[in-house]
Amino acid sequence: NAGVMQNPRHLVRRRGQEARLRCSPMKGHSHVYWYRQLPEEGLKFMVYLQKENIIDESGMPKERFSAEFPKEGPSILRIQQVVRGDSAAYFCASSWQGTNTEAFFGQGTRLTVV
Amino acid sequence: DQQVKQNSPSLSVQEGRISILNCDYTNSMFDYFLWYKKYPAEGPTFLISISSIKDKNEDGRFTVFLNKSAKHLSLHIVPSQPGDSAVYFCAALVGGGNKLTFGTGTQLKVEL
Repeated sequence: NAGVMQNPRHLVRRRGQEARLRCSPMKGHSHVYWYRQLPEEGLKFMVYLQKENIIDESGMPKERFSAEFPKEGPSILRIQQVVRGDSAAYFCASSWQGTNTEAFFGQGTRLTVV
Repeated sequence: DQQVKQNSPSLSVQEGRISILNCDYTNSMFDYFLWYKKYPAEGPTFLISISSIKDKNEDGRFTVFLNKSAKHLSLHIVPSQPGDSAVYFCAALVGGGNKLTFGTGTQLKVEL
């Protein structure tokens, strides 16, 4: 049973470009969570999705950031017109139930904006 | 507003001794607490958790203690092993919710 798969592991983008981060949850998991870790900080919640629905996006910046979890395929975190402050590690977690007590994390995508 | 605080950014312990990692929280609505371990370039791995109806939970070498009145929890690792060297994050949940609030982490180094 493969774990949570995130790709790419490392992503370099120039300022103004778009970044797309992918997350394939564990088999049988229909709940996905995205977290961001800025340098020297803890992980911060961004968004919680269940298949085709955004349940809680209270941690998402209001502009440039969006997330989806289509019926088929991985969850995507999309950052438009990236800025240097978007440089961080982005982690995805998945769970079978809609609580985070049993969530499993992926290895993360490290985004660097140059 | 840091609702979950880990005031020690680093801790160094000798192999075989006890490691004690501390965590404080300010939000009295938190009722479920978790500890995660994280190696460089990897995602956090769940270690142990505790519900607010308990004051202690034990799993092998790992024990978590919760003091609700002080809004404080701690993770004890005994005996500490070199493979325990990692960053440890404390996290909290409100009422079976879906949003983990993390502390800033403590880097544990277990020395031979």
